[in-house]
Amino acid sequence: ILNVEQSPQSLHVQEGDSTNFTCSFPSSNFYALHWYRWETAKSPEALFVMTLNGDEKKKGRISATLNTKEGYSYLYIKGSQPEDSATYLCARLPTGGTSYGKLTFGQGTILTVHP
Amino acid sequence: SQTIHQWPATLVQPVGSPLSLECTVEGTSNPNLYWYRQAAGRGLQLLFYSVGIGQISSEVPQNLSASRPQDRQFILSSKKLLLSDSGFYLCAWRGGANVLTFGAGSRLTVL
Repeated sequence: ILNVEQSPQSLHVQEGDSTNFTCSFPSSNFYALHWYRWETAKSPEALFVMTLNGDEKKKGRISATLNTKEGYSYLYIKGSQPEDSATYLCARLPTGGTSYGKLTFGQGTILTVHP
Repeated sequence: SQTIHQWPATLVQPVGSPLSLECTVEGTSNPNLYWYRQAAGRGLQLLFYSVGIGQISSEVPQNLSASRPQDRQFILSSKKLLLSDSGFYLCAWRGGANVLTFGAGSRLTVL
């Protein structure tokens, strides 16, 4: 993996469904992995910052896991609600870029939750 | 608390015209500032970052330039816009744990 890649590109689920999506990234020179949520007509907002292999973070119905050795992170949403509809971005911070916060973003996963 | 302002929100410009997008930050001093762009169907691409007044680093060769005339002001410019400059531009500053706080964004359409 040379770049940060997210899958799927888009996802449609029904209210109440649980869902998950993937972020893959280069495992070498890894410092941190960020998840952001970008709602329509708003600015992207940080959800999680993860640094350690095996990290698991949780915020309400949303949780994320991190595997730095194989270079992937999963974001899970339990019992999706229409207000969860947004683009979910992951971003990798390499060790060499910590001084300037040079995050490399994936293309995002667009989640639509239908009532 | 820190806030970030970005304007204009929407801009429609003809090819060959100049561009100026402005970003200001309140509630912090000597922030690290960033310009990102999201082109259609793509993720956020880092264009420029600045660690202080007059200090600009460019990430990709392009038709754009950036300036930081004051501590909390970051400007994105172009002398002559191209069609490929169309996109959504986001200014951001770096806080604790390297978390980025973004402005509201500027949607640029070049016709």
